[in-house]
Amino acid sequence: SQELEQSPQSLIVQEGKNLTINCTSSKTLYGLYWYKQKYGEGLIFLMMLQKGGEEKSHEKITAKLDEKKQQSSLHITASQPSHAGIYLCGADIVANKLVFGAGTILRVKS
Amino acid sequence: DAGITQSPRHKVTETGTPVTLRCHQTENHRYMYWYRQDPGHGLRLIHYSYGVKDTDKGEVSDGYSVSRSKTEDFLLTLESATSSQTSVYFCAISPDPAGGNSIYFGEGSWLTVV
Repeated sequence: SQELEQSPQSLIVQEGKNLTINCTSSKTLYGLYWYKQKYGEGLIFLMMLQKGGEEKSHEKITAKLDEKKQQSSLHITASQPSHAGIYLCGADIVANKLVFGAGTILRVKS
Repeated sequence: DAGITQSPRHKVTETGTPVTLRCHQTENHRYMYWYRQDPGHGLRLIHYSYGVKDTDKGEVSDGYSVSRSKTEDFLLTLESATSSQTSVYFCAISPDPAGGNSIYFGEGSWLTVV
């Protein structure tokens, strides 16, 4: 969706390194979702942020929603090969119309 | 796991033929969505529904129509399939996406138009 910009489009990191994926909107985000997808498979829910300044963590993945609720970042600490995949951010921007970014392809080199 | 199933899971069809994909849920959720996923484009919203017989267009609705005659089923129809509609189609459901509720996705339907 043009309403949600994800960066970078793709990322290759060495195993053990940290990385950050960003999701930016020109509009206020009402409910920001992060999903992970393995190629050819369905989407795995990671976490959902709703309040400005909110931060959630699951294992080595942390997501934040900035105070103005227009940008979210997904941070992975000490990346592992199991983190490889496509990361998608999705948001409720207008009246329950859920849109998604173009995705970030993550590759982790052993 | 949320009770959401898509059918068919895989289909090959010829250009110009009609195709209908079905999304069935057992969760009684109000909102249902159809997306297509293509390399470099992430998930693009085709149509969505916010209740029985209440639907609206997404960002890539041309060439697609939907119907929701009952809460549990949301049908996506390609009236005359084209090669550009070769894609993976995902259905999603939610009780209230703006209210902090989760969105549940189906397993996807792989459609090839030859």
